[in-house]
Amino acid sequence: EPEVTQTPSHQVTQMGQEVILRCVPISNHLYFYWYRQILGQKVEFLVSFYNNEISEKSEIFDDQFSVERPDGSNFTLKIRSTKLEDSAMYFCASRGTGGSTEAFFGQGTRLTVV
Amino acid sequence: AQTVTQSQPEMSVQEAETVTLSCTYDTSESDYYLFWYKQPPSRQMILVIRQEAYKQQNATENRFSVNFQKAAKSFSLKISDSQLGDAAMYFCARISGGGADGLTFGKGTHLIIQP
Repeated sequence: EPEVTQTPSHQVTQMGQEVILRCVPISNHLYFYWYRQILGQKVEFLVSFYNNEISEKSEIFDDQFSVERPDGSNFTLKIRSTKLEDSAMYFCASRGTGGSTEAFFGQGTRLTVV
Repeated sequence: AQTVTQSQPEMSVQEAETVTLSCTYDTSESDYYLFWYKQPPSRQMILVIRQEAYKQQNATENRFSVNFQKAAKSFSLKISDSQLGDAAMYFCARISGGGADGLTFGKGTHLIIQP
């Protein structure tokens, strides 16, 4: 069964460092997303990506964040200068077309900023 | 703003009993979709059930069913014959018809199954 894979599963980084979280969406999917879940809180939308560009982004997705699909398979989230409050679970998701199509989530990357 | 509200932070049910998780939402759109996701301790997000807003018939997936009240903007999840494996966080979510804005989630309900 096709699945979304994320690497690494856990990343520890020092405050101020850049991190890149990686995702391999399902191959024939067209929409890609990043979500964030701070421990004990709800899942929050960060950004959506379609046709090689950002479709929508939330107020959380400020200039410290960027996304890229560098090679047609990987979908990355970069945090330029991490802050303590960036510590969270980051989920990548992908789906085909149309809002009703299921969004498949990866297993998440736990980011810990120290 | 499109919001999703889950008013029950935690629910507890005896094994084999039925439990209903509440969800209300706010939207100005006519074309949207609703979902319930399960998040076990592994924190994987697992789709439980989905409902298209244009469909009047309530969705059903085995022991899981929804009560979709479009006028009231209510979308509750009923779990019948609760099993120990159902213990998890449950998140209600919506997405617009186009889907570009991503899913908007509620704060979740922690479901405890009592053996």
